[in-house]
Amino acid sequence: DSGVTQTPKHLITATGQRVTLRCSPRSGDLSVYWYQQSLDQGLQFLIQYYNGEERAKGNILERFSAQQFPDLHSELNLSSLELGDSALYFCASSPGTGKETQYFGPGTRLLVL
Amino acid sequence: QKEVEQDPGPLSVPEGAIVSLNCTYSNSAFQYFMWYRQYSRKGPELLMYTYSSGNKEDGRFTAQVDKSSKYISLFIRDSQPSDSATYLCAMRESNYQLIWGAGTKLIIKP
Repeated sequence: DSGVTQTPKHLITATGQRVTLRCSPRSGDLSVYWYQQSLDQGLQFLIQYYNGEERAKGNILERFSAQQFPDLHSELNLSSLELGDSALYFCASSPGTGKETQYFGPGTRLLVL
Repeated sequence: QKEVEQDPGPLSVPEGAIVSLNCTYSNSAFQYFMWYRQYSRKGPELLMYTYSSGNKEDGRFTAQVDKSSKYISLFIRDSQPSDSATYLCAMRESNYQLIWGAGTKLIIKP
């Protein structure tokens, strides 16, 4: 158990809908990262937050947004969902700004029908 | 060309064999190299962490970095069925984000 929690574990929704994925980092970790993993794309970095502020941006679509709250939990919002958004979404956390090891949560499996 | 190349496999070997997993990269500024293991439907977990060149050993696992060839390897000795998983390499420059390989699916046959 990495100490990173993610909810929900599974999510089934329809195209055009909006969903919110939640992540709680390990105790004491200030950075939260979001990744998307699909069968044909591997692990894709989406975005990083550090202590409430956006720190780095990867291949995140404009339909997706994220935030980190004062209690350091983070939410990833996915809107106008398309079939191709079906994937595993992982959250990871690390103590500082990104030089350290990242610890991954169990993931949220999203299926868009 | 991707910054990090990793054969997706699957790689299937008999139990007890020595396994060699590899990644090549193009950015000579990468200094930190990691191997993560991911079981099916689980999050990746860190296996090995290496700075710069050389070897690092941890039990049955050895990580090797050859910066001159831009090539990293993970060796697994006395492989077990429980080692069956996807192995992802990841690497970064000093202050930059991790760049991930696509992952190699490993199957250890009893």
